[in-house]
Amino acid sequence: DVKVTQSSRYLVKRTGEKVFLECVQDMDHENMFWYRQDPGLGLRLIYFSYDVKMKEKGDIPEGYSVSREKKERFSLILESASTNQTSMYLCASTLRGLAGTGELFFGEGSRLTVL
Amino acid sequence: AQKITQTQPGMFVQEKEAVTLDCTYDTSDPSYGLFWYKQPSSGEMIFLIYQGSYDQQNATEGRYSLNFQKARKSANLVISASQLGDSAMYFCAMISSNDYKLSFGAGTTVTVRA
Repeated sequence: DVKVTQSSRYLVKRTGEKVFLECVQDMDHENMFWYRQDPGLGLRLIYFSYDVKMKEKGDIPEGYSVSREKKERFSLILESASTNQTSMYLCASTLRGLAGTGELFFGEGSRLTVL
Repeated sequence: AQKITQTQPGMFVQEKEAVTLDCTYDTSDPSYGLFWYKQPSSGEMIFLIYQGSYDQQNATEGRYSLNFQKARKSANLVISASQLGDSAMYFCAMISSNDYKLSFGAGTTVTVRA
């Protein structure tokens, strides 16, 4: 069974704190993505990575950074959390290219509240 | 930059009827893939169907079919014989082979009435 595991389902942090959200997949996928989901806005891409140590900005990278030191792990970092970063964060992974079903595999999500 | 547009924020459908969810996309890449996902109230993302830009036939998966009109850049999802369990948020998404960027639309909430 394919698994994308996000380290924390629920987090509560204070403004200005550094936040790490971890995502691990066990399918040897090249591509990994971080999204935030907000009501009425759908899923918005923060960063993605198509290989180890590679990263690309998505549509809303401001206030975030990422790290991909190993193929299976993609971390999202909030250097100084702010209240407008309160959201549901979803990690996803897929094989490189559009071969096969093209299916993406999602983690269960991490709901972050910044006070 | 690529963009996905879902113009229907919410829809009601009667049980056993069919429903069409609209999705249009904009990309300059010749090779791309289109997806539909279902997100029930539990929050998990469930893969429904995939269409490659070079696929000649429309994709089908059980009660789900994708009405792919490439010239119009349209990838509507059709759910036939709606069931109460189909009540959920539905997302259209696209990935480009040029930059591997995966973008989602804002979603459409479907409520199936008995």
